[in-house]
Amino acid sequence: GNSVTQMEGPVTLSEEAFLTINCTYTATGYPSLFWYVQYPGEGLQLLLKATKADDKGSNKGFEATYRKETTSFHLEKGSVQVSDSAVYFCALRRNNNDMRFGAGTRLTVKP
Amino acid sequence: DTGVSQDPRHKITKRGQNVTFRCDPISEHNRLYWYRQTLGQGPEFLTYFQNEAQLEKSRLLSDRFSAERPKGSFSTLEIQRTEQGDSAMYLCASSLHQGAGETQYFGPGTRLLVL
Repeated sequence: GNSVTQMEGPVTLSEEAFLTINCTYTATGYPSLFWYVQYPGEGLQLLLKATKADDKGSNKGFEATYRKETTSFHLEKGSVQVSDSAVYFCALRRNNNDMRFGAGTRLTVKP
Repeated sequence: DTGVSQDPRHKITKRGQNVTFRCDPISEHNRLYWYRQTLGQGPEFLTYFQNEAQLEKSRLLSDRFSAERPKGSFSTLEIQRTEQGDSAMYLCASSLHQGAGETQYFGPGTRLLVL
């Protein structure tokens, strides 16, 4: 079946550190891939997405590249800020509309 | 900002009681989804509507759960005879059906606690 596995947290970084949150997926066919972010007390927000192999999604300094050969969609940011502290969810969606989420990775950035 | 709204934001109920949640999607969106999220986990799909038609239901959606979207706008999710295991965050999302990369926009959720 379709599933997403993402790096377990929590992750704690100092401000301006480099961030990687790993995400791998299992799916038949060609899913679309997403990263959502959930800030404290708020709903999930779309951070970025990619719909086909080798696409790079980017937003607010975050990037992720759809790698079909490694079935991965790792999230990266070159320099994190305290305001990036949140829970990050990797997700996939196939054409049957069923969106599957990973368990989430909590990121804390300290000044 | 006319994002997805959900009501109530919090609900505490006793086991065996019925509860109903409401979701108001973004106005031009024709698809509406319900998810359940438990602590430390990602959202799990429950069901979705395209306009007023309920097109898919997860096996997670037991017969105590029912969802409606009578006029293709707001939706309600009812849980009958609640159990402690129903305690979770119930999320609603909406989207405009447009194929690959279709983006779902989430509401703030309704947190249910069954005592």
